[in-house]
Amino acid sequence: GAVVSQHPSWVICKSGTSVKIECRSLDFQATTMFWYRQFPKQSLMLMATSNEGSKATYEQGVEKDKFLINHASLTLSTLTVTSAHPEDSSFYICSARIRGGNYGYTFGSGTRLTVV
Amino acid sequence: AQSVTQLGSHVSVSEGALVLLRCNYSSSVPPYLFWYVQYPNQGLQLLLKYTSAATLVKGINGFEAEFKKSETSFHLTKPSAHMSDAAEYFCAVSAQGGSEKLVFGKGTKLTVNP
Repeated sequence: GAVVSQHPSWVICKSGTSVKIECRSLDFQATTMFWYRQFPKQSLMLMATSNEGSKATYEQGVEKDKFLINHASLTLSTLTVTSAHPEDSSFYICSARIRGGNYGYTFGSGTRLTVV
Repeated sequence: AQSVTQLGSHVSVSEGALVLLRCNYSSSVPPYLFWYVQYPNQGLQLLLKYTSAATLVKGINGFEAEFKKSETSFHLTKPSAHMSDAAEYFCAVSAQGGSEKLVFGKGTKLTVNP
Protein backbone atom coordinates (compact mmCIF):
# COMPACT_ATOMS: atom_id res chain seq x y z
CA GLY A 1 0.00 0.00 0.00
CA ALA A 2 0.83 3.74 -0.08
CA VAL A 3 2.33 3.81 -3.55
CA VAL A 4 3.32 6.98 -5.37
CA SER A 5 3.64 6.71 -9.13
CA GLN A 6 5.99 9.26 -10.71
CA HIS A 7 6.21 9.98 -14.44
CA PRO A 8 8.14 10.29 -16.57
CA SER A 9 11.10 8.32 -15.27
CA TRP A 10 13.40 10.21 -17.57
CA VAL A 11 13.08 13.12 -19.96
CA ILE A 12 15.36 15.04 -22.28
CA CYS A 13 14.33 18.52 -23.32
CA LYS A 14 15.78 21.50 -25.11
CA SER A 15 16.83 24.65 -23.32
CA GLY A 16 13.97 27.08 -22.99
CA THR A 17 11.21 24.52 -22.99
CA SER A 18 9.08 23.43 -20.04
CA VAL A 19 8.78 19.98 -18.56
CA LYS A 20 6.02 18.63 -16.35
CA ILE A 21 6.57 15.84 -13.84
CA GLU A 22 3.58 14.08 -12.30
CA CYS A 23 3.21 12.22 -9.05
CA ARG A 24 0.07 10.25 -8.32
CA SER A 25 -0.87 8.54 -5.11
CA LEU A 26 -2.40 5.27 -6.23
CA ASP A 27 -4.08 3.84 -3.16
CA PHE A 28 -4.31 6.69 -0.67
CA GLN A 29 -4.98 10.39 -0.51
CA ALA A 30 -1.87 12.50 -0.39
CA THR A 31 -2.81 15.73 1.34
CA THR A 32 0.84 16.75 1.47
CA MET A 33 3.46 16.17 -1.21
CA PHE A 34 7.13 17.02 -1.02
CA TRP A 35 9.39 17.67 -4.00
CA TYR A 36 13.09 16.99 -3.82
CA ARG A 37 16.03 17.55 -6.09
CA GLN A 38 19.07 15.32 -6.03
CA PHE A 39 22.38 16.12 -7.69
CA PRO A 40 24.71 13.26 -8.63
CA LYS A 41 26.26 11.57 -5.62
CA GLN A 42 24.50 13.97 -3.25
CA SER A 43 21.62 13.90 -0.85
CA LEU A 44 18.04 14.98 -1.41
CA MET A 45 17.35 18.68 -1.18
CA LEU A 46 13.80 19.66 -0.34
CA MET A 47 12.50 22.13 -2.90
CA ALA A 48 8.92 22.67 -1.78
CA THR A 49 5.98 21.31 0.14
CA SER A 50 2.58 21.27 -1.48
CA ASN A 51 -0.77 20.85 0.20
CA GLU A 52 -3.87 19.94 -1.73
CA GLY A 53 -5.84 23.00 -2.72
CA SER A 54 -3.34 25.59 -1.55
CA LYS A 55 -0.14 27.23 -2.71
CA ALA A 56 3.11 25.40 -2.30
CA THR A 57 5.65 26.44 0.29
CA TYR A 58 9.09 26.79 -1.24
CA GLU A 59 12.38 26.37 0.52
CA GLN A 60 14.78 29.27 0.65
CA GLY A 61 16.67 29.73 -2.57
CA VAL A 62 14.20 27.82 -4.75
CA GLU A 63 12.75 29.90 -7.58
CA LYS A 64 8.97 29.78 -7.39
CA ASP A 65 8.51 30.97 -10.95
CA LYS A 66 10.86 28.37 -12.36
CA PHE A 67 9.57 25.39 -10.42
CA LEU A 68 5.79 25.52 -10.54
CA ILE A 69 4.00 23.12 -8.24
CA ASN A 70 0.34 22.26 -8.50
CA HIS A 71 -1.55 20.05 -6.10
CA ALA A 72 -5.08 20.33 -7.38
CA SER A 73 -6.36 17.01 -6.12
CA LEU A 74 -5.70 14.57 -3.31
CA THR A 75 -4.10 12.11 -5.72
CA LEU A 76 -2.08 14.30 -8.08
CA SER A 77 0.75 16.76 -7.66
CA THR A 78 2.81 18.16 -10.51
CA LEU A 79 6.13 19.93 -10.81
CA THR A 80 6.73 22.00 -13.93
CA VAL A 81 10.23 23.15 -14.70
CA THR A 82 9.73 26.25 -16.80
CA SER A 83 12.20 27.63 -19.32
CA ALA A 84 14.59 24.83 -18.49
CA HIS A 85 18.35 25.33 -18.69
CA PRO A 86 21.17 22.81 -18.51
CA GLU A 87 21.77 23.67 -14.84
CA ASP A 88 18.25 22.37 -14.11
CA SER A 89 19.37 18.92 -15.14
CA SER A 90 18.95 16.75 -12.09
CA PHE A 91 17.04 13.89 -10.49
CA TYR A 92 13.67 15.00 -9.11
CA ILE A 93 11.78 12.91 -6.56
CA CYS A 94 8.37 13.38 -5.02
CA SER A 95 7.27 12.09 -1.65
CA ALA A 96 3.95 11.85 0.10
CA ARG A 97 3.26 11.89 3.77
CA ILE A 98 1.50 8.81 5.12
CA ARG A 99 -0.81 9.64 7.96
CA GLY A 100 -2.31 7.53 10.65
CA GLY A 101 -0.93 4.42 12.27
CA ASN A 102 1.62 3.68 9.59
CA TYR A 103 3.30 7.06 9.86
CA GLY A 104 5.99 7.76 7.32
CA TYR A 105 6.77 8.89 3.84
CA THR A 106 6.55 7.12 0.51
CA PHE A 107 8.63 8.14 -2.48
CA GLY A 108 8.14 8.17 -6.19
CA SER A 109 10.69 6.43 -8.38
CA GLY A 110 12.21 9.71 -9.52
CA THR A 111 12.58 11.59 -12.79
CA ARG A 112 15.93 12.10 -14.47
CA LEU A 113 15.76 15.45 -16.29
CA THR A 114 18.42 16.30 -18.85
CA VAL A 115 18.31 19.71 -20.50
CA VAL A 116 20.35 20.03 -23.68
CA ALA B 1 15.16 22.45 13.66
CA GLN B 2 16.37 18.99 12.77
CA SER B 3 19.59 17.81 11.20
CA VAL B 4 21.31 14.54 10.46
CA THR B 5 24.97 13.64 10.23
CA GLN B 6 26.04 10.45 8.55
CA LEU B 7 29.60 9.56 9.41
CA GLY B 8 31.42 8.13 6.44
CA SER B 9 30.35 8.90 2.90
CA HIS B 10 31.71 5.53 1.80
CA VAL B 11 31.74 2.23 3.66
CA SER B 12 33.22 -0.93 2.23
CA VAL B 13 32.68 -4.39 3.71
CA SER B 14 33.26 -7.96 2.63
CA GLU B 15 30.37 -10.23 1.84
CA GLY B 16 29.24 -11.87 5.07
CA ALA B 17 30.74 -9.17 7.28
CA LEU B 18 28.89 -6.88 9.65
CA VAL B 19 27.41 -3.72 8.18
CA LEU B 20 27.43 -0.62 10.38
CA LEU B 21 26.26 2.71 9.01
CA ARG B 22 26.35 5.59 11.43
CA CYS B 23 23.76 8.29 11.89
CA ASN B 24 23.59 11.02 14.50
CA TYR B 25 20.73 13.45 14.69
CA SER B 26 19.95 16.80 16.19
CA SER B 27 16.42 17.74 17.08
CA SER B 28 14.86 20.25 19.42
CA VAL B 29 11.79 18.04 19.79
CA PRO B 30 11.32 14.26 19.95
CA PRO B 31 12.25 12.93 16.55
CA TYR B 32 11.01 10.37 14.13
CA LEU B 33 13.96 8.66 12.44
CA PHE B 34 14.19 6.76 9.19
CA TRP B 35 16.66 4.80 7.13
CA TYR B 36 16.18 4.63 3.37
CA VAL B 37 18.05 2.78 0.65
CA GLN B 38 18.47 4.07 -2.89
CA TYR B 39 19.64 2.12 -5.90
CA PRO B 40 20.97 4.01 -8.96
CA ASN B 41 18.36 6.11 -10.73
CA GLN B 42 15.60 4.96 -8.42
CA GLY B 43 13.54 6.46 -5.65
CA LEU B 44 13.95 5.71 -1.98
CA GLN B 45 12.85 2.55 -0.27
CA LEU B 46 12.14 2.55 3.44
CA LEU B 47 14.30 0.13 5.42
CA LEU B 48 12.99 0.94 8.87
CA LYS B 49 11.71 3.74 11.07
CA TYR B 50 11.62 4.82 14.68
CA THR B 51 8.39 6.45 15.78
CA SER B 52 8.77 6.48 19.56
CA ALA B 53 7.79 2.88 20.16
CA ALA B 54 10.52 0.27 20.64
CA THR B 55 14.04 1.67 20.55
CA LEU B 56 15.38 -1.35 18.67
CA VAL B 57 13.76 -1.32 15.29
CA LYS B 58 13.87 -4.19 12.84
CA GLY B 59 13.44 -3.52 9.17
CA ILE B 60 13.47 -5.27 5.86
CA ASN B 61 16.31 -7.34 4.41
CA GLY B 62 17.78 -8.12 7.83
CA PHE B 63 18.57 -4.53 8.79
CA GLU B 64 17.97 -3.09 12.22
CA ALA B 65 18.71 0.14 14.04
CA GLU B 66 18.72 1.23 17.66
CA PHE B 67 17.53 4.63 18.84
CA LYS B 68 19.84 5.91 21.57
CA LYS B 69 18.61 9.19 22.93
CA SER B 70 21.64 9.72 25.19
CA GLU B 71 23.94 9.43 22.19
CA THR B 72 21.52 11.07 19.70
CA SER B 73 22.26 8.16 17.42
CA PHE B 74 20.34 5.83 15.14
CA HIS B 75 22.97 3.56 13.60
CA LEU B 76 21.98 0.98 11.01
CA THR B 77 23.34 -2.55 11.24
CA LYS B 78 23.11 -5.87 9.47
CA PRO B 79 24.92 -8.96 10.76
CA SER B 80 25.96 -10.33 7.38
CA ALA B 81 26.31 -8.28 4.21
CA HIS B 82 25.06 -9.53 0.86
CA MET B 83 26.19 -8.33 -2.53
CA SER B 84 22.68 -7.02 -3.12
CA ASP B 85 23.08 -4.61 -0.18
CA ALA B 86 25.43 -2.43 -2.23
CA ALA B 87 23.58 0.88 -2.54
CA GLU B 88 23.29 4.39 -1.14
CA TYR B 89 21.79 4.67 2.34
CA PHE B 90 20.17 7.76 3.78
CA CYS B 91 19.28 8.54 7.36
CA ALA B 92 16.48 11.07 7.83
CA VAL B 93 14.70 12.84 10.66
CA SER B 94 11.39 14.59 11.11
CA ALA B 95 9.86 16.19 14.16
CA GLN B 96 7.13 14.53 16.16
CA GLY B 97 4.10 16.76 16.18
CA GLY B 98 5.87 19.54 14.34
CA SER B 99 6.92 20.34 10.79
CA GLU B 100 6.39 17.45 8.42
CA LYS B 101 9.66 18.11 6.65
CA LEU B 102 11.95 15.14 6.31
CA VAL B 103 15.57 16.18 6.62
CA PHE B 104 18.16 13.87 5.06
CA GLY B 105 21.75 13.14 5.83
CA LYS B 106 24.27 13.28 3.02
CA GLY B 107 24.15 9.55 2.49
CA THR B 108 26.57 6.66 2.79
CA LYS B 109 27.52 4.55 -0.17
CA LEU B 110 27.90 0.92 0.82
CA THR B 111 30.18 -1.29 -1.24
CA VAL B 112 30.16 -5.05 -0.68
CA ASN B 113 33.24 -6.92 -1.82
CA PRO B 114 33.09 -10.61 -2.77
